[in-house]
Amino acid sequence: QKEVEQNSGPLSVPEGAIASLNCTYSDRGSQSFFWYRQYSGKSPELIMSIYSNGDKEDGRFTAQLNKASQYVSLLIRDSQPSDSATYLCAVNSWNSGNTPLVFGKGTRLSVIA
Amino acid sequence: EPEVTQTPSHQVTQMGQEVILRCVPISNHLYFYWYRQILGQKVEFLVSFYNNEISEKSEIFDDQFSVERPDGSNFTLKIRSTKLEDSAMYFCAGVEKDYGYTFGSGTRLTVV
Repeated sequence: QKEVEQNSGPLSVPEGAIASLNCTYSDRGSQSFFWYRQYSGKSPELIMSIYSNGDKEDGRFTAQLNKASQYVSLLIRDSQPSDSATYLCAVNSWNSGNTPLVFGKGTRLSVIA
Repeated sequence: EPEVTQTPSHQVTQMGQEVILRCVPISNHLYFYWYRQILGQKVEFLVSFYNNEISEKSEIFDDQFSVERPDGSNFTLKIRSTKLEDSAMYFCAGVEKDYGYTFGSGTRLTVV
């Protein structure tokens, strides 16, 4: 069974700090990795995607992937109160859209002003 | 930016009733999915749809569920006889080839 594990939190960080969110996955065949942000009662919103080992930066967000360790992380720099949400890690087995995402349960982030 | 639209946003139904949840994907999406999220739980895959037929379904997607694309644009999820445990947020998602999944705004289904 394919599993994606995340620490449920809450992770509390002060405004302006770096928030570090982690995710591990069980399926070594996973190829595509996504971070979604979900506000309470809302749908998941894509933040980052990453397909290769290493770092990928987009604005204040950096995704890190280590396939050997089956580990994905998301760093949020200069955290803002508006970043307070649940962050979902999701993986799938192919580089195209024809396989379903497997989601973790999410990490709740709270940014304290 | 184009959106995946879902209706209704909230549906309350009595146990045993049929419900139809609707989704209008972005026109250039190739693959379509239904997911659900029970309150406080993971987002779970239900079914995927490609080329006007089901391509994959999960254990959750039993005979009570069906999907259709009745007019080539709308994409529906039908639950024939709802149970209390069907209460959840239901999300439709569309995928362009090699891009991330775009989720609709969701339908909150409450079975009473």
